[in-house]
Amino acid sequence: GEDVEQSLFLSVREGDSSVINCTYTDSSSTYLYWYKQEPGAGLQLLTYIFSNMDMKQDQRLTVLLNKKDKHLSLRIADTQTGDSAIYFCAERKSGGYNKLIFGAGTRLAVHP
Amino acid sequence: DAGVIQSPRHEVTEMGQEVTLRCKPISGHNSLFWYRQTMMRGLELLIYFNNNVPIDDSGMPEDRFSAKMPNASFSTLKIQPSEPRDSAVYFCASSPPISSASYEQYFGPGTRLTVT
Repeated sequence: GEDVEQSLFLSVREGDSSVINCTYTDSSSTYLYWYKQEPGAGLQLLTYIFSNMDMKQDQRLTVLLNKKDKHLSLRIADTQTGDSAIYFCAERKSGGYNKLIFGAGTRLAVHP
Repeated sequence: DAGVIQSPRHEVTEMGQEVTLRCKPISGHNSLFWYRQTMMRGLELLIYFNNNVPIDDSGMPEDRFSAKMPNASFSTLKIQPSEPRDSAVYFCASSPPISSASYEQYFGPGTRLTVT
């Protein structure tokens, strides 16, 4: 099927690292994405990784890709209260139309 | 750029009424996507267009839903007649041509629809 799977909830203490995991289905997917949705807002692209990469780092964000296991993770270092949001993993299907398949989203709660 | 623009931001209507949601994609983008988000079903892709042509409408829940894209700068999603179970947040997203080597979808702020 086309399911992208994520755990639904994650709770972390402020200052700790958060790791959000995702599994996808299409081994031919060329791009994998992490989007962030804050309350009452649309989705915003956080970062993405091309399928020929294993890791991508962008300030506090680290994306790890294991193509063999079709597993994607997002690590947020030094998690802040402003990081509280829903995080969506998505895969871009092979083909020409930028169709993305989204996971159900992981709600990250950051507490003091 | 103003980003993807959706209107209205909030819509409350009675069951049986027609509802029209509107979207203006980012200028220069040639793909447009309509999504629906609910707590129960998460984010669902309803339909998407490329160069104003519907490519895949398999996500449209039933015949009460229809979408049009009469030109590159405007799309509508219509529900007629509306039902309470249509209550959700509806997002529109657009993306640039593949040739631009950018593969991001840019989302609008959404329309929160409540059908009573």
